[in-house]
Amino acid sequence: AQRVTQPEKLLSVFKGAPVELKCNYSYSGSPELFWYVQYSRQRLQLLLRHISRESIKGFTADLNKGETSFHLKKPFAQEEDSAMYYCALRDTGFQKLVFGTGTRLLVSP
Amino acid sequence: EPEVTQTPSHQVTQMGQEVILRCVPISNHLYFYWYRQILGQKVEFLVSFYNNEISEKSEIFDDQFSVERPDGSNFTLKIRSTKLEDSAMYFCASEEGRKYEQYFGPGTRLTVT
Repeated sequence: AQRVTQPEKLLSVFKGAPVELKCNYSYSGSPELFWYVQYSRQRLQLLLRHISRESIKGFTADLNKGETSFHLKKPFAQEEDSAMYYCALRDTGFQKLVFGTGTRLLVSP
Repeated sequence: EPEVTQTPSHQVTQMGQEVILRCVPISNHLYFYWYRQILGQKVEFLVSFYNNEISEKSEIFDDQFSVERPDGSNFTLKIRSTKLEDSAMYFCASEEGRKYEQYFGPGTRLTVT
């Protein structure tokens, strides 16, 4: 069964500190991995997906198939990065997204 | 920029009542989804809809649930006889094509009393 694990419910850092939000998945095939973000009182929105290999708002994520991980990183956190971050997986044969439980990132001044 | 919209933003209903949650997907999108998030839990897939039929559904999506695209613009989720455990935030999403990006609506908070 597909599963996405985000071990941290809350990650609290100071502005300018590096951030790493962890995501591990279990899936036997070749999934597609995503990070979604939800800012306060806003909708879920796509932050990045592994196939595009982009850096969005300074965030990057690398798919590590050996460790089945897709950790989200940013070298210098900003206060406006405070939000709920969800890692998600999509099976290549299907359309649905399977979400992790989310990590709340709190960036303090 | 076009957005997915959902109405109402909050619905309170009594156990056993029927509710209809409404969504207007982005106009040129072809794939439609419902997800839900019970407070404190993960976002869970309920159902996907394409070409006027259900393409995939989860175990949660039992006979109490149904979806419809009645008029080419709205996409609705009906719960026939609500239970307390149906209380959750329900998100609609739409996607332009297969393997594109799913765009989410703001959600409808359903409270069953």
